[in-house]
Amino acid sequence: DGGITQSPKYLFRKEGQNVTLSCEQNLNHDAMYWYRQDPGQGLRLIYYSQIVNDFQKGDIAEGYSVSREKKESFPLTVTSAQKNPTAFYLCASSIQGGYGYTFGSGTRLTVV
Amino acid sequence: KNEVEQSPQNLTAQEGEFITINCSYSVGISALHWLQQHPGGGIVSLFMLSSGKKKHGRLIATINIQEKHSSLHITASHPRDSAVYICAVSSDGGSQGNLIFGKGTKLSVKP
Repeated sequence: DGGITQSPKYLFRKEGQNVTLSCEQNLNHDAMYWYRQDPGQGLRLIYYSQIVNDFQKGDIAEGYSVSREKKESFPLTVTSAQKNPTAFYLCASSIQGGYGYTFGSGTRLTVV
Repeated sequence: KNEVEQSPQNLTAQEGEFITINCSYSVGISALHWLQQHPGGGIVSLFMLSSGKKKHGRLIATINIQEKHSSLHITASHPRDSAVYICAVSSDGGSQGNLIFGKGTKLSVKP
């Protein structure tokens, strides 16, 4: 079955370390997105990519980086520059125009 | 002020009740999405609509573009409907895939 796979489900990181969250989709979707969810807040866009080898910053890109070398993969790196990285991270994909929007199951990152 | 507002924030219902969740938005949109988030965190897309009404099983979504308002209705609610329901819009000023999210409505259906 087609879908989005995020791994790992839970991740612990020491302060000052970079960490990479994986997102893979087999839906043949062109567009992929990374969102951050904090308690009591709506999801906020970190980065998005509409095509391979191209991506744009979202509303809260500072302290994060991404790559899109393959259509299926859109990994997110949380760098040590991100001041408050503890959050729930969701990856999503869609075809152009926002149709077929599909979310992954999320990664909960905790900085210790 | 948030661009997407949902009400109520929390909702408790008895099994079998008819439920309505409301969403108001302040931006021009190309589409509105209703999403369901279960306690584990995964999100499922329920509806994407740009006009009128859509129905899927016991779920009905309506949108009034002139009034910038949408409702999600659940008929004959069941405890398995307990989840957070999220309204999100695609702004017509930006990339259609980039969504602006409401904060969600937490629904609890008691048996």
